[in-house]
Amino acid sequence: SQTIHQWPATLVQPVGSPLSLECTVEGTSNPNLYWYRQAAGRGLQLLFYSVGIGQISSEVPQNLSASRPQDRQFILSSKKLLLSDSGFYLCAWSTGTSGDTQYFGPGTRLTVL
Amino acid sequence: GQQVMQIPQYQHVQEGEDFTTYCNSSTTLSNIQWYKQRPGGHPVFLIQLVKSGEVKKQKRLTFQFGEAKKNSSLHITATQTTDVGTYFCAGLEAGGTSYGKLTFGQGTILTVHP
Repeated sequence: SQTIHQWPATLVQPVGSPLSLECTVEGTSNPNLYWYRQAAGRGLQLLFYSVGIGQISSEVPQNLSASRPQDRQFILSSKKLLLSDSGFYLCAWSTGTSGDTQYFGPGTRLTVL
Repeated sequence: GQQVMQIPQYQHVQEGEDFTTYCNSSTTLSNIQWYKQRPGGHPVFLIQLVKSGEVKKQKRLTFQFGEAKKNSSLHITATQTTDVGTYFCAGLEAGGTSYGKLTFGQGTILTVHP
């Protein structure tokens, strides 16, 4: 069966510090991968999605970046965090067929102070 | 670009009352999916609707997809405290090449008072 992992679960970082969040998927090949951000009590904002290794599409201009160094690994990064980067970061995967269900990881709760 | 609006944003009900959330897309959808996020948790897939006018049921939950494939609803009969959470609809635009990229509604936060 397929599983998705995200770490860390929680993170508190000072403004201006770098960020690296990792997401890995097991049990499937060539998944579509997604990074979302959710502010407290709000909806899901799609940040990046990837249909293959090295292929990243950015949805929202910001100081975040994403990379996919391996088929089932998706990394969200920042060189310098802003206060507004605080939120709940969710990674998700779907199969290669368009419109399939998205399966979410447990998320990383990031607080920037 | 495609927009998916969901109402209401919040709903407070007494246990045993019914609950409905509505979802409207600015464009025709290929399919619509519904997710539930428990407080502190992550979104979990509930169901997918594909056909025009489709109705699906899961126990006390009834999901409908509009004839024009631009709107959908989720109705919960006789809510229970276990129904608490945020319900999201998510649509895939028809005819697009979005590689499975869903557009999520803002969600409806349901509170159930015992």
